[in-house]
Amino acid sequence: EVQLVETGGGLIQPGGSLRLSCAASGFTVSSNYMSWVRQAPGKGLEWVSVIYSGGSTYYADSVKGRFTISRDNSKNTLYLQMNSLRAEDTAVYYCARGRTTVTDYYMDVWGKGTTVTVSS
Amino acid sequence: SYELTQPPSVSVSPGQTARITCSGDALPKKYAYWYQQKSGQAPVLVIYEDSKRPSGIPERFSGSSSGTMATLTISGAQVEDEADYYCYSTDSSGNLPVFGGGTKLTVL
Repeated sequence: EVQLVETGGGLIQPGGSLRLSCAASGFTVSSNYMSWVRQAPGKGLEWVSVIYSGGSTYYADSVKGRFTISRDNSKNTLYLQMNSLRAEDTAVYYCARGRTTVTDYYMDVWGKGTTVTVSS
Repeated sequence: SYELTQPPSVSVSPGQTARITCSGDALPKKYAYWYQQKSGQAPVLVIYEDSKRPSGIPERFSGSSSGTMATLTISGAQVEDEADYYCYSTDSSGNLPVFGGGTKLTVL
């Protein structure tokens, strides 16, 4: 069964750092595009970052320079290192598997999410 | 930055057809995708590549796209279809995805 399980969320003070993990089962992380998507309380979905199977990475402007996406192939796990956290980063963070088409990619399997709260 | 525009809410009675639209300048060249998110749950893909339905998604869900507008249609909407629906696509480069603002579907 294809499954994604996020961990690492919690309460963190503004300016702090946190690393989220996403353990995958049923497929190989390194062979797929993998994304992080977040959802602030009462708000819509916001794409955060993607890592391609080839290793290229992309970020939303709102997190560029502060967040880093990576993966550990030996652990079949995706990560999101979040630095210089702000109150507006408060959200549920989902990891998702990406599928590619000729022109783009989309997310077909999602984890249940982990909650990050940035507050003093 | 690229944007996808959805109506904030749509309301239908059970058994009626619900249509949710999504407009974006790049949609003539990019696929539209649709996600259903029920309260407190993770999103679920219901339509991919404009009009394809993943396995396990009921046949009453369908999608179409023409020009700069994509449409999710739920034929014979049921109470259990009440959810937020998000369209998704990428910008013209294909590297930067974007979600629409979401549409709350009420079936009552």
